Formats: sequence, structure tokens, C-alpha cells
Amino acid sequence: AQSVTQLGSHVSVSEGALVLLRCNYSSSVPPYLFWYVQYPNQGLQLLLKYTSAATLVKGIKGFEAEFKKSETSFHLTKPSAHMSDAAEYFCAVEGSQGNLIFGKGTKLSVKP
Amino acid sequence: DSGVTQTPKHLITATGQRVTLRCSPRSGDLSVYWYQQSLDQGLQFLIQYYNGEERAKGNILERFSAQQFPDLHSELNLSSLELGDSALYFCASSDDLSQGGFDNEQFFGPGTRLTVL
Repeated sequence: AQSVTQLGSHVSVSEGALVLLRCNYSSSVPPYLFWYVQYPNQGLQLLLKYTSAATLVKGIKGFEAEFKKSETSFHLTKPSAHMSDAAEYFCAVEGSQGNLIFGKGTKLSVKP
Repeated sequence: DSGVTQTPKHLITATGQRVTLRCSPRSGDLSVYWYQQSLDQGLQFLIQYYNGEERAKGNILERFSAQQFPDLHSELNLSSLELGDSALYFCASSDDLSQGGFDNEQFFGPGTRLTVL
């Protein structure tokens, strides 16, 4: 069965610092992987997705993620954090029924 | 704005009651997914409809049911409500052109926050 594990329920960075949010997946088949962002009192917005076309995936808002099969990882990065990046981030893998299976989420705080 | 609308935004009700949550997908999207987000369970898939037919079921309780109407809007019915049903309920839609292959992005609505007292 597919699953994702997000390491760190809370991550705090300073404005301008590197953002690294960790996600490891478990899947018996080549996975489709996603990162979503949720701002307070809003729905989820897709940041980027991996569908096997390229291992380095560039998304919106300056985020990117690298698929590493050997490490079963799909970590999300952004070179320089902005205050507006403060939100909750969810890693997800496609389930066998076409649904999304989400990790527990990581809350990102950005300090001025 | 994702183009997916959900009503109501907030719902407060009592244990044992029944409520209906409504979702209108993006124009042209045939698939509707329902998810529940709670503090203890996180984000969990409940059920999917495709063009009026149930396609997939996740962790949906028997007290919950859903349907998708000919105009493609969907309703999630929650009955015999319990305190533990308090959560944020999201609807998402996709065009699902690949019908199961996952190159179709899911667009999420703003959610309905259900509070059961």
C-alpha cells in the first residue's frame, strides 16, 4: 500500500534562508507524488507534482522537489524563504484508486 | 481561486443530527473527490464520483454517503453525527481525462468546517 511520511511536523526558518521539507514515500509501483500547500482557512493548492517525466520538478512560488528512488524521498526545497511562505505543506502519493494519500503535514514558520 | 465552490463555509450542529455539504466542481470537471481533515486523522480520502457514478471509496463511515448529480455538483451527507465528526471537509475536482492515470490535477475547494456539539 502507498503511504507518505513527512519528517517534522513543524519547521522554522529565517526569512531568506533555505527551506527544506522532508517527505519519504512507500509504494510498490512507480509513484506519482505531489506537494500541496494550505494557507490558514483555505483549501489546498498544488505546488508541484512528479509523474516520472523528470526527477527534478519545478513548481510554483519558487519551490522545487527532487525524486530520489534510491532514498524513496521527494523533499521540497526553496532557496530563499519569504514571510508569505508560512503555511502548512502536505506531501501526497497517488493511491491505487486514484485518490491522494496525504502525509501528516509540516507547518512552516518564517521568522523575520 | 480554484474554481471549486463549497457550501456552507461553516456548519454547527448537535450530535445525532444530519447535515448535507455541497460541492460544485470546476466547469468541465467530471470527477469529484471528498476528503476529511481532522487534527487526529489528518487528511483522509472519503469517496470519489466520476460523471455521476461512484468510482472509489476510502475511509468513509457507513453513516456518511455522497452522490453526484447530473449537473455534476456533489453532496456529502453525514448522519447520526458524533463529536468526532467535527472536521474540515474538502471537495476536490479534476477533469480526469486519463481516467485513473494520475496526470490530472485535483483542484480543492475552500472546505466546509463542521462543528458537532
